[in-house]
Amino acid sequence: QVQLVQSGAEVKKPGASVKVSCKASGYTFTNYGISWLRQAPGQGPEWMGWISGYDGNTIYAEKFQGRVSMTTDTSTNTAYMELRSLTSDDTAVYYCARDEGWLKWGQGTLVTVSS
Amino acid sequence: DIVMTQSPDSLAVSLGERATINCKSSQTVLYSSNNKNYLAWYQQKPGQPPRVLISWASTRESGVPDRFSGSGSGTDFTLTISSLQGEDVAVYYCQQYHSTPYTFGQGTKLEIK
Repeated sequence: QVQLVQSGAEVKKPGASVKVSCKASGYTFTNYGISWLRQAPGQGPEWMGWISGYDGNTIYAEKFQGRVSMTTDTSTNTAYMELRSLTSDDTAVYYCARDEGWLKWGQGTLVTVSS
Repeated sequence: DIVMTQSPDSLAVSLGERATINCKSSQTVLYSSNNKNYLAWYQQKPGQPPRVLISWASTRESGVPDRFSGSGSGTDFTLTISSLQGEDVAVYYCQQYHSTPYTFGQGTKLEIK
């Protein structure tokens, strides 16, 4: 079955960058895109952007333009999301999800930004 | 951006009773070219990622109990749990995938009365 396994929790200082990985299995990686989302404590999910599993084309939410990069490695069926210039407002659980419009989610990666 | 608004914010229902959650979009999420509503429903339990229950507004995902059903079209949608079970305690979200950025409702917290 579809499985997305994300990298482990991270603690970062303000101004730093974080890179989260998402390894897909159970389906043909190049047939679907991957969306990245985040969920701050007590809040609903927030969509950050999408990357094609086929050709690496990206669509970023305007809020994150210039600060986020999404990439894929089709040799390992892995997607990556890098977020730069972190502030405390970026503390959240970050999710990757197989994107058919509706989303099938990874387990999440807690990113804590604290001095 | 399409704004999704759910009601109520929280809901307490007795075991075995019906639970109804509403979701309204600020613009239609119906594509007239294929007559499909680009609307999904999710269930999220504490410490877990959201789990998709319903896609295309009314198509139940594989493995989802048939007590869950979705209805509506255009801008107004409903998730119904026909007979509440204890394991249904969770937060429920609607999401539109008609256009990017994908957007979610603020969530409805469902509890047992």
